[in-house]
Amino acid sequence: ELKVEQNPLFLSMQEGKNYTIYCNYSTTSDRLYWYRQDPGKSLESLFVLLSNGAVKQEGRLMASLDTKARLSTLHITAAVHDLSATYFCAVDMLGYGNKLVFGAGTILRVKS
Amino acid sequence: NAGVTQTPKFRILKIGQSMTLQCTQDMNHNYMYWYRQDPGMGLKLIYYSVGAGITDKGEVPNGYNVSRSTTEDFPLRLELAAPSQTSVYFCASSGDRGRDQPQHFGDGTRLSIL
Repeated sequence: ELKVEQNPLFLSMQEGKNYTIYCNYSTTSDRLYWYRQDPGKSLESLFVLLSNGAVKQEGRLMASLDTKARLSTLHITAAVHDLSATYFCAVDMLGYGNKLVFGAGTILRVKS
Repeated sequence: NAGVTQTPKFRILKIGQSMTLQCTQDMNHNYMYWYRQDPGMGLKLIYYSVGAGITDKGEVPNGYNVSRSTTEDFPLRLELAAPSQTSVYFCASSGDRGRDQPQHFGDGTRLSIL
């Protein structure tokens, strides 16, 4: 059974600081997705990581995937208040139906 | 382009009542999914469909039913509402490129069972 663990579950940061969110998963997969959710809103796709060593960057966010370590990271550079949200990683089970298993989410609060 | 549309946005049900959550997408996606999100938790898969006429159970299907008569629509039915089904329900879809694309999510239905 695929299990996905994110840490930390809650992160309070000062503006301008750097930090990393970790996503570990328990069985083989080379497909991983990062989503952002604002309070009371839907999920917005941030990154699609499709192979070992994949790295994607968008603005102050950079995501990477290490399939051998079963680990993805979401790195935040020089955080700004607008990045405050909940971030989820989701791992593809690689079976029928393209099903995903989600982590519990990391609540990020960026303080001015 | 509306994407994935869910109705209603909010609903309060009494224990034992039934209701259908509607989901429609206009992207011609074959894959569709229903998730529930409990407070402070990630999403759990309830049911999914890989095309019209084909549905399968996900991780937490008990108490729910689905149908997929068209590519566009994937309704979720609660037959006998229970307090444990209080949650936010999200519908999602993805295209035939499958894993190369993310799933696209609707805005959610916030359901309370009292």
